[in-house]
Amino acid sequence: GQQLNQSPQSMFIQEGEDVSMNCTSSSIFNTWLWYKQEPGEGPVLLIALYKAGELTSNGRLTAQFGITRKDSFLNISASIPSDVGIYFCAGQWASYDKVIFGPGTSLSVIP
Amino acid sequence: DAMVIQNPRYQVTQFGKPVTLSCSQTLNHNVMYWYQQKSSQAPKLLFHYYDKDFNNEADTPDNFQSRRPNTSFCFLDIRSPGLGDAAMYLCATSRLRGGTYNEQFFGPGTRLTVL
Repeated sequence: GQQLNQSPQSMFIQEGEDVSMNCTSSSIFNTWLWYKQEPGEGPVLLIALYKAGELTSNGRLTAQFGITRKDSFLNISASIPSDVGIYFCAGQWASYDKVIFGPGTSLSVIP
Repeated sequence: DAMVIQNPRYQVTQFGKPVTLSCSQTLNHNVMYWYQQKSSQAPKLLFHYYDKDFNNEADTPDNFQSRRPNTSFCFLDIRSPGLGDAAMYLCATSRLRGGTYNEQFFGPGTRLTVL
């Protein structure tokens, strides 16, 4: 079945550093979604991407929909302590299909 | 603010004692989902409703049932909880319209403990 891989699995970075994480798939998706989940809370949608090559920003976050439609990356610039959490990528083939989640990247920010 | 609400946030039940988790939404979305999430894992889809149409995932145990009495509410019933059912249960909604755009919005989750 469809599977997503995220790398790295976890990151420990210094406050102020930039962060880059990516997500790859064995098959094509037409929508890529990036979520952040904090402990004890539900995932919160950060960025949604709908078109191959699309680059979208949300504050300090930037995400891109890979040109092959099999990957996506998320960058966080100038990290702050509240960026701590697990970042999930998710892909979807068609709007009526279920969303496939990656295993997540755990981010820790050292003040 | 439009949102997805889950009650209770924390639920403790005994082994084998039925439990019901609830989800409500003010987004007027036509699709509602239930996910199970265990520690350090991605959310796992259990089932979803597209309006009143129920769609069960093939690997969802029969122990899990769901009801959607109206657009705003959806319930997850666990008939005989086992220790392995202890997890965070997440409700999500989306608005499926004309084959485009299907971002899912999640509630805060209910943490289920089985004693």
